[in-house]
Amino acid sequence: ETGVTQTPRHLVMGMTNKKSLKCEQHLGHNAMYWYKQSAKKPLELMFVYSLEERVENNSVPSRFSPECPNSSHLFLHLHTLQPEDSALYLCASSQGVPSGANVLTFGAGSRLTVL
Amino acid sequence: AQSVTQLDSQVPVFEEAPVELRCNYSSSVSVYLFWYVQYPNQGLQLLLKYLSGSTLVKGINGFEAEFNKSQTSFHLRKPSVHISDTAEYFCAVSEPRNNDMRFGAGTRLTVKP
Repeated sequence: ETGVTQTPRHLVMGMTNKKSLKCEQHLGHNAMYWYKQSAKKPLELMFVYSLEERVENNSVPSRFSPECPNSSHLFLHLHTLQPEDSALYLCASSQGVPSGANVLTFGAGSRLTVL
Repeated sequence: AQSVTQLDSQVPVFEEAPVELRCNYSSSVSVYLFWYVQYPNQGLQLLLKYLSGSTLVKGINGFEAEFNKSQTSFHLRKPSVHISDTAEYFCAVSEPRNNDMRFGAGTRLTVKP
């Protein structure tokens, strides 16, 4: 496996379900990110982790809960979601301390549909 | 905070024709600028970036972009496109010491034979 791997690629869940998205990076990077990509809208930064510590949380509702157990793995735990949360969730990683100059390497995304 | 506007949501073009994808940004401080490309069912990949120095930046796959501070623009160009260039292109801006890279809404480039 190389680059940034996301699983599952597709997920359908009801509003009362609990599920998790997983991201794994094989690049030796030390920062990881969650972005939300909705149709016809700019990517929205959700969370940033640097060396397993959360350094950014962009006013994301508490029904999204991130977890970063080590620098290679990032999870997004989902519970009691709303239909408007349906989107493509992208994981990314970068080398060095998160800053404006970082180049992000993205995974292919997890397509989430909330019924 | 910084922001990005991509002026065209869709750009259809014939193969071997030149193309320009437009991007304007807004920021009160100096910026870093990026272009990413997203092929179907894939994540975003970096095409090119401007951090400092020469305002003409060359990237992968024959793309280039020019940073114009007075017009707050960072347009992407390619002199001759291929069918394989069909994809979604995202302009992004960030500020020094800021974790929040802001992306535009994307421009869908469709190259027709």
